[in-house]
Amino acid sequence: DQQVKQNSPSLSVQEGRISILNCDYTNSMFDYFLWYKKYPAEGPTFLISISSIKDKNEDGRFTVFLNKSAKHLSLHIVPSQPGDSAVYFCAASVGNTPLVFGKGTRLSVIA
Amino acid sequence: EAQVTQNPRYLITVTGKKLTVTCSQNMNHEYMSWYRQDPGLGLRQIYYSMNVEVTDKGDVPEGYKVSRKEKRNFPLILESPSPNQTSLYFCASSYGVNTEAFFGQGTRLTVV
Repeated sequence: DQQVKQNSPSLSVQEGRISILNCDYTNSMFDYFLWYKKYPAEGPTFLISISSIKDKNEDGRFTVFLNKSAKHLSLHIVPSQPGDSAVYFCAASVGNTPLVFGKGTRLSVIA
Repeated sequence: EAQVTQNPRYLITVTGKKLTVTCSQNMNHEYMSWYRQDPGLGLRQIYYSMNVEVTDKGDVPEGYKVSRKEKRNFPLILESPSPNQTSLYFCASSYGVNTEAFFGQGTRLTVV
Protein backbone atom coordinates (compact mmCIF):
# COMPACT_ATOMS: atom_id res chain seq x y z
CA ASP A 1 0.00 0.00 0.00
CA GLN A 2 1.93 2.94 -1.33
CA GLN A 3 1.04 6.18 0.41
CA VAL A 4 3.22 8.41 -1.76
CA LYS A 5 3.22 7.75 -5.49
CA GLN A 6 5.38 9.12 -8.25
CA ASN A 7 3.76 7.59 -11.28
CA SER A 8 6.32 8.72 -13.84
CA PRO A 9 9.57 6.76 -13.51
CA SER A 10 11.29 9.11 -15.93
CA LEU A 11 10.93 12.47 -17.65
CA SER A 12 12.94 14.13 -20.43
CA VAL A 13 12.91 17.89 -20.91
CA GLN A 14 14.84 20.25 -23.14
CA GLU A 15 17.22 22.71 -21.56
CA GLY A 16 15.51 26.03 -20.86
CA ARG A 17 12.03 24.53 -20.70
CA ILE A 18 9.92 23.82 -17.64
CA SER A 19 10.22 20.48 -15.84
CA ILE A 20 7.14 19.36 -13.92
CA LEU A 21 7.48 16.43 -11.56
CA ASN A 22 4.33 15.05 -10.01
CA CYS A 23 3.53 13.29 -6.77
CA ASP A 24 0.24 11.92 -5.44
CA TYR A 25 -0.52 10.81 -1.92
CA THR A 26 -3.29 8.84 -0.29
CA ASN A 27 -3.05 9.84 3.37
CA SER A 28 -5.06 13.04 3.84
CA MET A 29 -3.41 13.50 7.23
CA PHE A 30 -0.01 14.27 5.70
CA ASP A 31 0.89 17.82 6.68
CA TYR A 32 4.44 18.28 5.45
CA PHE A 33 5.93 17.52 2.06
CA LEU A 34 9.49 17.58 0.82
CA TRP A 35 11.39 17.08 -2.41
CA TYR A 36 14.83 15.53 -2.55
CA LYS A 37 17.26 15.35 -5.42
CA LYS A 38 19.70 12.51 -5.92
CA TYR A 39 22.71 12.30 -8.20
CA PRO A 40 24.35 8.93 -8.96
CA ALA A 41 26.83 7.78 -6.29
CA GLU A 42 25.59 10.44 -3.85
CA GLY A 43 23.02 10.55 -1.09
CA PRO A 44 19.73 12.42 -1.60
CA THR A 45 19.86 16.13 -0.82
CA PHE A 46 16.97 18.25 0.37
CA LEU A 47 15.58 20.58 -2.27
CA ILE A 48 12.39 22.28 -1.11
CA SER A 49 9.47 21.68 1.23
CA ILE A 50 5.92 22.84 1.81
CA SER A 51 3.58 22.75 4.75
CA SER A 52 -0.06 21.81 4.28
CA ILE A 53 -1.12 25.30 5.34
CA LYS A 54 0.37 26.65 2.10
CA ASP A 55 -0.34 25.90 -1.53
CA LYS A 56 2.90 27.19 -3.01
CA ASN A 57 6.52 27.58 -2.01
CA GLU A 58 9.19 29.05 -4.22
CA ASP A 59 12.98 28.95 -4.03
CA GLY A 60 14.78 30.33 -7.03
CA ARG A 61 14.10 28.13 -10.05
CA PHE A 62 12.18 25.61 -7.93
CA THR A 63 8.52 25.91 -6.99
CA VAL A 64 6.40 23.33 -5.23
CA PHE A 65 2.62 23.43 -5.55
CA LEU A 66 0.27 21.62 -3.22
CA ASN A 67 -3.33 20.77 -4.08
CA LYS A 68 -4.78 19.26 -0.91
CA SER A 69 -8.19 18.49 -2.35
CA ALA A 70 -6.57 16.43 -5.11
CA LYS A 71 -3.89 15.06 -2.78
CA HIS A 72 -1.33 16.11 -5.33
CA LEU A 73 1.87 18.07 -5.31
CA SER A 74 4.20 19.04 -8.07
CA LEU A 75 7.70 20.40 -8.42
CA HIS A 76 8.33 22.94 -11.18
CA ILE A 77 11.84 23.71 -12.35
CA VAL A 78 12.15 26.77 -14.57
CA PRO A 79 14.29 27.04 -16.58
CA SER A 80 15.61 23.48 -16.58
CA GLN A 81 19.37 23.07 -16.77
CA PRO A 82 21.49 20.00 -17.60
CA GLY A 83 22.72 19.99 -13.98
CA ASP A 84 19.15 19.33 -12.87
CA SER A 85 19.37 15.83 -14.35
CA ALA A 86 18.91 13.57 -11.32
CA VAL A 87 16.39 11.38 -9.57
CA TYR A 88 13.78 13.37 -7.64
CA PHE A 89 12.03 11.90 -4.62
CA CYS A 90 8.84 13.22 -3.13
CA ALA A 91 8.32 12.62 0.62
CA ALA A 92 5.49 13.26 3.06
CA SER A 93 4.88 13.06 6.77
CA VAL A 94 2.29 13.65 9.47
CA GLY A 95 2.98 14.69 13.02
CA ASN A 96 5.85 12.85 14.63
CA THR A 97 6.04 10.00 12.14
CA PRO A 98 8.90 9.25 9.76
CA LEU A 99 8.97 10.53 6.22
CA VAL A 100 7.36 8.34 3.57
CA PHE A 101 9.14 8.47 0.24
CA GLY A 102 7.90 7.93 -3.28
CA LYS A 103 9.80 5.70 -5.71
CA GLY A 104 11.41 8.62 -7.51
CA THR A 105 11.34 10.16 -10.98
CA ARG A 106 14.47 10.31 -13.11
CA LEU A 107 14.71 13.71 -14.83
CA SER A 108 16.92 14.10 -17.88
CA VAL A 109 17.50 17.62 -19.13
CA ILE A 110 18.74 17.54 -22.70
CA ALA A 111 21.01 20.30 -23.94
CA GLU B 1 31.36 20.98 7.59
CA ALA B 2 27.98 19.49 8.49
CA GLN B 3 27.85 15.95 7.28
CA VAL B 4 26.68 12.38 7.67
CA THR B 5 29.49 9.88 7.17
CA GLN B 6 28.95 6.25 6.29
CA ASN B 7 31.56 3.53 6.08
CA PRO B 8 32.36 1.60 4.08
CA ARG B 9 31.19 3.02 0.75
CA TYR B 10 31.40 -0.35 -0.96
CA LEU B 11 31.30 -3.83 0.52
CA ILE B 12 31.17 -7.32 -0.97
CA THR B 13 30.59 -10.09 1.52
CA VAL B 14 29.43 -13.68 1.72
CA THR B 15 26.15 -15.02 3.00
CA GLY B 16 26.07 -15.38 6.75
CA LYS B 17 29.12 -13.30 7.60
CA LYS B 18 28.15 -10.63 10.11
CA LEU B 19 28.84 -7.06 9.10
CA THR B 20 28.36 -3.54 10.42
CA VAL B 21 27.91 -0.36 8.43
CA THR B 22 28.80 2.68 10.50
CA CYS B 23 27.06 6.04 10.40
CA SER B 24 28.12 9.20 12.16
CA GLN B 25 26.73 12.75 12.09
CA ASN B 26 28.28 15.96 13.40
CA MET B 27 25.15 18.13 13.55
CA ASN B 28 23.92 17.09 17.00
CA HIS B 29 20.75 15.74 15.40
CA GLU B 30 18.38 13.75 17.58
CA TYR B 31 16.81 11.74 14.78
CA MET B 32 18.70 9.21 12.67
CA SER B 33 17.51 6.56 10.25
CA TRP B 34 18.59 3.93 7.76
CA TYR B 35 17.14 3.42 4.30
CA ARG B 36 17.72 1.01 1.50
CA GLN B 37 17.27 1.94 -2.14
CA ASP B 38 16.38 -0.72 -4.66
CA PRO B 39 15.49 -0.35 -8.36
CA GLY B 40 11.80 0.40 -8.79
CA LEU B 41 11.21 0.53 -5.04
CA GLY B 42 12.63 3.91 -4.08
CA LEU B 43 13.79 4.61 -0.53
CA ARG B 44 12.45 2.30 2.14
CA GLN B 45 13.13 2.90 5.80
CA ILE B 46 14.77 0.08 7.73
CA TYR B 47 15.09 1.47 11.27
CA TYR B 48 15.03 4.85 12.91
CA SER B 49 16.04 6.37 16.21
CA MET B 50 14.50 9.41 17.87
CA ASN B 51 17.23 9.70 20.48
CA VAL B 52 19.91 7.82 22.36
CA GLU B 53 18.77 4.32 23.34
CA VAL B 54 15.47 4.79 21.44
CA THR B 55 15.09 2.81 18.21
CA ASP B 56 12.09 1.73 16.17
CA LYS B 57 11.39 -0.47 13.18
CA GLY B 58 10.74 1.13 9.83
CA ASP B 59 9.07 -0.50 6.85
CA VAL B 60 11.63 -3.23 6.15
CA PRO B 61 13.43 -4.15 9.40
CA GLU B 62 13.77 -7.92 8.90
CA GLY B 63 17.37 -9.10 8.93
CA TYR B 64 18.75 -5.87 10.40
CA LYS B 65 19.67 -4.54 13.81
CA VAL B 66 20.67 -1.08 14.96
CA SER B 67 21.94 0.55 18.12
CA ARG B 68 22.09 4.13 19.35
CA LYS B 69 24.46 4.25 22.29
CA GLU B 70 25.52 7.82 21.59
CA LYS B 71 23.89 10.66 19.75
CA ARG B 72 26.27 10.92 16.83
CA ASN B 73 26.48 7.23 15.84
CA PHE B 74 23.87 4.87 14.46
CA PRO B 75 25.41 1.65 13.12
CA LEU B 76 23.46 -0.81 10.98
CA ILE B 77 24.17 -4.46 11.77
CA LEU B 78 23.49 -7.44 9.54
CA GLU B 79 23.93 -10.49 11.75
CA SER B 80 23.59 -13.01 8.94
CA PRO B 81 23.49 -11.26 5.57
CA SER B 82 21.62 -12.85 2.70
CA PRO B 83 21.67 -12.08 -1.04
CA ASN B 84 18.32 -10.27 -0.83
CA GLN B 85 20.05 -7.67 1.32
CA THR B 86 22.19 -6.66 -1.64
CA SER B 87 21.25 -3.01 -1.96
CA LEU B 88 22.31 0.62 -1.67
CA TYR B 89 22.04 1.80 1.93
CA PHE B 90 21.70 5.36 3.17
CA CYS B 91 21.95 6.76 6.65
CA ALA B 92 20.21 10.05 7.40
CA SER B 93 19.92 12.46 10.29
CA SER B 94 17.69 15.41 11.13
CA TYR B 95 16.61 17.58 14.04
CA GLY B 96 13.18 16.02 14.08
CA VAL B 97 11.33 13.06 12.67
CA ASN B 98 9.81 14.94 9.76
CA THR B 99 12.23 17.80 9.18
CA GLU B 100 14.83 18.16 6.45
CA ALA B 101 17.04 15.08 6.52
CA PHE B 102 20.73 15.02 5.67
CA PHE B 103 21.87 11.85 3.96
CA GLY B 104 25.19 10.09 3.88
CA GLN B 105 26.92 9.18 0.62
CA GLY B 106 25.60 5.65 0.65
CA THR B 107 27.00 2.15 1.08
CA ARG B 108 26.68 -0.27 -1.78
CA LEU B 109 26.47 -3.75 -0.30
CA THR B 110 26.69 -6.96 -2.30
CA VAL B 111 26.02 -10.27 -0.58
CA VAL B 112 27.10 -13.33 -2.56
